[in-house]
Amino acid sequence: GENVEQHPSTLSVQEGDSAVIKCTYSDSASNYFPWYKQELGKGPQLIIDIRSNVGEKKDQRIAVTLNKTAKHFSLHITETQPEDSAVYFCAASIRGYQKVTFGTGTKLQVIP
Amino acid sequence: DTAVSQTPKYLVTQMGNDKSIKCEQNLGHDTMYWYKQDSKKFLKIMFSYNNKELIINETVPNRFSPKSPDKAHLNLHINSLELGDSAVYFCASSQGAGGPVNEQFFGPGTRLTVL
Repeated sequence: GENVEQHPSTLSVQEGDSAVIKCTYSDSASNYFPWYKQELGKGPQLIIDIRSNVGEKKDQRIAVTLNKTAKHFSLHITETQPEDSAVYFCAASIRGYQKVTFGTGTKLQVIP
Repeated sequence: DTAVSQTPKYLVTQMGNDKSIKCEQNLGHDTMYWYKQDSKKFLKIMFSYNNKELIINETVPNRFSPKSPDKAHLNLHINSLELGDSAVYFCASSQGAGGPVNEQFFGPGTRLTVL
């Protein structure tokens, strides 16, 4: 089955700096890569996703990149703000199969 | 309006007891899921139902039995609770099955503590 590795497990940045979280996946058939943000005491919430037919996607301060050859994808957050502090999960899935395999999570702390 | 709701939010019980967690979604989605999140925040799928039919059943002890009375509800019953069952259980839902994978909407979670 699919295996998703995520690094780092914790990340502290100063407010205004950028944060990068990296993930690798094992199944070359995976073609959907969502990122979820989980705030304290809440369920995960989708913040951005990318499908295998594109290499990069951007939404305001958040961007994702995908390298299918190397089987890795990354989340980039620019101009970080205290409200970005949360646990972030990458995930991978295969079209036609609703199972999503999550990474191990990154706890991001933005220091004001 | 709450999209995915779970009850109860907290559940504290003794080892050996049987308990249930209920989930309801008002998004009109076809697919619902149960996830377990342990103390290290690892998020692992347990079950998935599409239109009341079980489509994903991970390696979960038989003590866990999901039930979907209709496509808007997915309940989780746990028999003979063990210490290792302590975790946060999340219900989620998404639209469709068999085609492009879609966004999953998560409930607020149920924190289960087994003493």
